[in-house]
Amino acid sequence: DVKVTQSSRYLVKRTGEKVFLECVQDMDHENMFWYRQDPGLGLRLIYFSYDVKMKEKGDIPEGYSVSREKKERFSLILESASTNQTSMYLCASGEWGGYGYTFGSGTRLTVV
Amino acid sequence: KNEVEQSPQNLTAQEGEFITINCSYSVGISALHWLQQHPGGGIVSLFMLSSGKKKHGRLIATINIQEKHSSLHITASHPRDSAVYICAVRRDSGYALNFGKGTSLLVTP
Repeated sequence: DVKVTQSSRYLVKRTGEKVFLECVQDMDHENMFWYRQDPGLGLRLIYFSYDVKMKEKGDIPEGYSVSREKKERFSLILESASTNQTSMYLCASGEWGGYGYTFGSGTRLTVV
Repeated sequence: KNEVEQSPQNLTAQEGEFITINCSYSVGISALHWLQQHPGGGIVSLFMLSSGKKKHGRLIATINIQEKHSSLHITASHPRDSAVYICAVRRDSGYALNFGKGTSLLVTP
């Protein structure tokens, strides 16, 4: 089975901290994605990557950056965490053409 | 206006009932996904469709490309089917998925 593993299930961070969310997939997928999920808003795309060192902004990239140094790993970085970044963060990976889309279990981040 | 609209937003059914969740979209797509999310849990892909109909156990998904509409049906519903069901589309021109806001289903014994 394809696995997408997110490093933390729950995180609590302080305002202003730099936060790293890690995601690793084991199926050699080209595409990886970071979404956030908020009540009433559904899932919204933050960033995605279609190849190593390649990244594209999604719908809500402000306050975030990403890193993809290896094909299997896609990191989301909150440069200076703020309370409005409290959310569920979901990583996903997929093949070209939208096939084989697999999600991680999510990281519930609380910024206090 | 969201590109992907789901209805209903919330649905309560009694065990054994036949359930339908609808999804309409407004863009050209290469694929449509139905996803399931249990409370506090990750998201599981149920189906990926580009045409016609797919069946897996008690779940059936259909898509009408001309009408830009898809439905997810659950036959003989069970309390363990209680979850949020999410419709998502991959645009012709994009890499990522666009998501509906989800339908929260509660099946009572």
